[in-house]
Amino acid sequence: KQEVTQIPAALSVPEGENLVLNCSFTDSAIYNLQWFRQDPGKGLTSLLLIQSSQREQTSGRLNASLDKSSGRSTLYIAASQPGDSATYLCAVSSQDQAGTALIFGKGTTLSVSS
Amino acid sequence: EPEVTQTPSHQVTQMGQEVILRCVPISNHLYFYWYRQILGQKVEFLVSFYNNEISEKSEIFDDQFSVERPDGSNFTLKIRSTKLEDSAMYFCASCYGSWTDTQYFGPGTRLTVL
Repeated sequence: KQEVTQIPAALSVPEGENLVLNCSFTDSAIYNLQWFRQDPGKGLTSLLLIQSSQREQTSGRLNASLDKSSGRSTLYIAASQPGDSATYLCAVSSQDQAGTALIFGKGTTLSVSS
Repeated sequence: EPEVTQTPSHQVTQMGQEVILRCVPISNHLYFYWYRQILGQKVEFLVSFYNNEISEKSEIFDDQFSVERPDGSNFTLKIRSTKLEDSAMYFCASCYGSWTDTQYFGPGTRLTVL
């Protein structure tokens, strides 16, 4: 059964710092991997989608990489800003399922101080 | 930009009562989902819906739950007899295709069962 783990659970950095969030999954047979942002009490905002055949995706200051064989993904945030403070969730669509349900990690809560 | 909407934003109900949570997916999307997030826990998949039928459901989605697309725009989740443990944030999501596409999430409905 697919399991998704995110490390660290929480991270505090000063503004301007570059940072990396980690996601690992137990079964490399995935269709894709998505990174989301969740603000307190709010919904999920999709940040990046990486297909299983891709190695990375970029959007603005965000860069996500995928190493399917080792079951790992990283989300790189450049020049962090206080507005980046949120919980970042990683989710995979796994081939051990009949459909396209996303399996989520518990998230990394990021706090960027000014 | 098109977005997934959900109503109500917050629902309070007594244990044993029926509740219906409503969602309007993005108009040209074909796949619809319900997820839930109990406070402090991971986002969990409940059910996926395609071509007017359930395509996948999790162990959580037992006989107390049902989904329906009553018209061309709404997608509903019904809980027949709510339990205290049903208290959670319920998210609706939709995507155009299947394994290759981004799932877009609504803002959620916070369900509180007393």
